[in-house]
Amino acid sequence: ETGVTQSPTHLIKTRGQQVTLRCSSQSGHNTVSWYQQALGQGPQFIFQYYREEENGRGNFPPRFSGLQFPNYSSELNVNALELDDSALYLCASSLERSSGEQFFGPGTRLTVL
Amino acid sequence: RKEVEQDPGPFNVPEGATVAFNCTYSNSASQSFFWYRQDCRKEPKLLMSVYSSGNEDGRFTAQLNRASQYISLLIRDSKLSDSATYLCVVPNAGGTSYGKLTFGQGTILTVHP
Repeated sequence: ETGVTQSPTHLIKTRGQQVTLRCSSQSGHNTVSWYQQALGQGPQFIFQYYREEENGRGNFPPRFSGLQFPNYSSELNVNALELDDSALYLCASSLERSSGEQFFGPGTRLTVL
Repeated sequence: RKEVEQDPGPFNVPEGATVAFNCTYSNSASQSFFWYRQDCRKEPKLLMSVYSSGNEDGRFTAQLNRASQYISLLIRDSKLSDSATYLCVVPNAGGTSYGKLTFGQGTILTVHP
């Protein structure tokens, strides 16, 4: 086990709703990255947080936003949910913001109806 | 050209077989590379890192060809437990300075008795 936890495990929402996903990073890790993984695809980078600030962002619209807290846990918020937002959302923590060695949580499976 | 590209397979091989996966990347400035393994409906886990020409860990060998911009993963003496999706990963593939992991779409391997 990586020590990275995510909640909830599964979530069902309807179009237009808002959702908040949570992640606790591995002890000692100050960097959290979020990824979206659609069925049959590799994970896509959403954004990264380092010491409570957004440190980089992928090609996702502004309705995807996040936070990192002083204890380095993190939230991913998605507003105005669309059907295409249905995916596995993965959180990964790392020791350094530029590290390629990232430790993933089990993910939150979001279904938008 | 995609930043990271893999043959999605699937590869179906008998136990004991040797199988190889290839991955190409577009950014010639990339310095480090990783192979992650993802079991069905689970999170990706780091399998191997490649920083120079190659890396070997037991039955697994990863090789890097910078001139041709590809990475390979060789699995010898395949086991049933090797069945998984193998993800080629290039950090900062787009030339960013932060720890954005760019994943290939994954290669599915099934090892059968």
